[in-house]
Amino acid sequence: AQSVAQPEDQVNVAEGNPLTVKCTYSVSGNPYLFWYVQYPNRGLQFLLKYITGDNLVKGSYGFEAEFNKSQTSFHLKKPSALVSDSALYFCAVRLTEGGSYIPTFGRGTSLIVHP
Amino acid sequence: NAGVTQTPKFQVLKTGQSMTLQCAQDMNHEYMSWYRQDPGMGLRLIHYSVGAGITDQGEVPNGYNVSRSTTEDFPLRLLSAAPSQTSVYFCASSYSSSSNTGELFFGEGSRLTVL
Repeated sequence: AQSVAQPEDQVNVAEGNPLTVKCTYSVSGNPYLFWYVQYPNRGLQFLLKYITGDNLVKGSYGFEAEFNKSQTSFHLKKPSALVSDSALYFCAVRLTEGGSYIPTFGRGTSLIVHP
Repeated sequence: NAGVTQTPKFQVLKTGQSMTLQCAQDMNHEYMSWYRQDPGMGLRLIHYSVGAGITDQGEVPNGYNVSRSTTEDFPLRLLSAAPSQTSVYFCASSYSSSSNTGELFFGEGSRLTVL
């Protein structure tokens, strides 16, 4: 079985400050990891993914995520937050091979960036 | 490029009525799926399909039917609507198979209210 935990329902950060949205996962094998963003009244949009190789993955809108195999984490980061980054963020995991390739999503973290 | 198109965007039903949520994609994706999004529950998989003629149940399939007669279309049918089916529904598609990293492309959502 695979699972994803996003331990914070909400993250508050001031504009210009660095932000981190946390994600930990559990799979019985090697993972593909994803971050998606959902703006109000919109569908989810793909942000970035970890497949293999470099543990630091860069994605859209200046976001990056760090894969840590020993801590089974894939935290989303941005050096300087913008008010327009305020949205709902979802982490997802799926197996690279064997078993189901259907992704499992976390419950989402609401990011609020204050001016 | 339209991507994933969902209709209708909004619908109000009375208990016991039936309806179909439409989903179409123009990316030749093998994999298509339906999720429901409820506050505090994240995304829950209802049904999915790995190709034309093939469908399977997800986490919360009761009360919903699907079919996949073409690669492009994946309609979701509510057989007898109940207030518990009030939710926002998302259709998502991707390239299929375990050999593909399979990030999902989402539609804009269909907001359903059952009175």
